Amino acid sequence: AQTVTQSQPEMSVQEAETVTLSCTYDTSESDYYLFWYKQPPSRQMILVIRQEAYKQQNATENRFSVNFQKAAKSFSLKISDSQLGDAAMYFCAYFSGGGADGLTFGKGTHLIIQP
Amino acid sequence: DTAVSQTPKYLVTQMGNDKSIKCEQNLGHDTMYWYKQDSKKFLKIMFSYNNKELIINETVPNRFSPKSPDKAHLNLHINSLELGDSAVYFCASSLQGQGALRETQYFGPGTRLLVL
Repeated sequence: AQTVTQSQPEMSVQEAETVTLSCTYDTSESDYYLFWYKQPPSRQMILVIRQEAYKQQNATENRFSVNFQKAAKSFSLKISDSQLGDAAMYFCAYFSGGGADGLTFGKGTHLIIQP
Repeated sequence: DTAVSQTPKYLVTQMGNDKSIKCEQNLGHDTMYWYKQDSKKFLKIMFSYNNKELIINETVPNRFSPKSPDKAHLNLHINSLELGDSAVYFCASSLQGQGALRETQYFGPGTRLLVL
């Protein structure tokens, strides 16, 4: 079974600074998908960024980018120019794709933005 | 234009009762899911369903059952509610196929269930 590990229960960053959230995963598959979701206090799960394992290029969405290291099974999220609205729980998730097994989530990282 | 909607948003009920949570998606997706988020915010898949098969996480008690009247709906029925069922339940949907764009799951707003 796949597992996803987020080793940072909580991170704090100053507004406008850059922060990196860590995620590692374990799988024996070669094809899969990785996601970062954001959950603000409203509890809505919001997709931040996604990455296909077969793509070597790291995904980027505006201020959000990932560092995907397939051999190391690492998928970290970098948030540049942090804003107050970025404060939330961030979940890393793995999906094997093709079937319907559902997402496997990490335990989440609580991101605090200091004004 | 809500993509994935759930009703109700909040549900407070007594132990032993039977309750349902409804989920609807208007994205034209073919696969729907139910997740449970516990008090420590951990999210775990409960069910996934498309028009071909239902996959049940083995840890889910059989008091929980999904029912799909059509492709756009996947409702969650819970019988004989227990205190430990208190959690936030999320519905999600996706479109199976190649590529992360299709495989991305979109979530409903969640239903907070409190069993007294």
